[in-house]
Amino acid sequence: DTGVSQDPRHKITKRGQNVTFRCDPISEHNRLYWYRQTLGQGPEFLTYFQNEAQLEKSRLLSDRFSAERPKGSFSTLEIQRTEQGDSAMYLCASNSGSGETQYFGPGTRLLVL
Amino acid sequence: GNSVTQMEGPVTLSEEAFLTINCTYTATGYPSLFWYVQYPGEGLQLLLKATKADDKGSNKGFEATYRKETTSFHLEKGSVQVSDSAVYFCALGTGANSKLTFGKGITLSVRP
Repeated sequence: DTGVSQDPRHKITKRGQNVTFRCDPISEHNRLYWYRQTLGQGPEFLTYFQNEAQLEKSRLLSDRFSAERPKGSFSTLEIQRTEQGDSAMYLCASNSGSGETQYFGPGTRLLVL
Repeated sequence: GNSVTQMEGPVTLSEEAFLTINCTYTATGYPSLFWYVQYPGEGLQLLLKATKADDKGSNKGFEATYRKETTSFHLEKGSVQVSDSAVYFCALGTGANSKLTFGKGITLSVRP
């Protein structure tokens, strides 16, 4: 078990560009979560999947954000037309069901110039 | 809605000092409560958890008791070490989706 992995670890982009992040959960986990963490704050929930179905999206997830988990394994989070306010750490977590511990990846740090 | 309030930081202690980090929550239903820790340069790790009232979570010398009457989950350790220097987050999870609501986190620095 290698844990939750995320790629890339760091991303610098110019305002207006699109970016895509990938998360590989722990292999037997059917639930996958995305969170965003800004400086000095705790992580905030963005969205979650059970298998390939996206079951909940936060109001933080504007129309410029889209997440997928096409085969119920890895997930991608895309941000279109990035804005400076999107600069944050994007965290992925996974678990095996309701009430189970969420295991977090190392995060992708995004800086929008 | 759900919310978690942590005491303001940062906290600086000498090695072997007693640690208390306060955490209170507001939630609908019956949440599970968690403490996560983030060591420098590393990702979030679960430190301990409690799933129902009066449960005590413990790990690595840290303890926290789920107090429903005071809606609190304070983290304690009797004797901190330099290696405990990290950011500590209190969190709650509710509902079938188990999404987590986090506090702002508090930075603990332990000096030798």
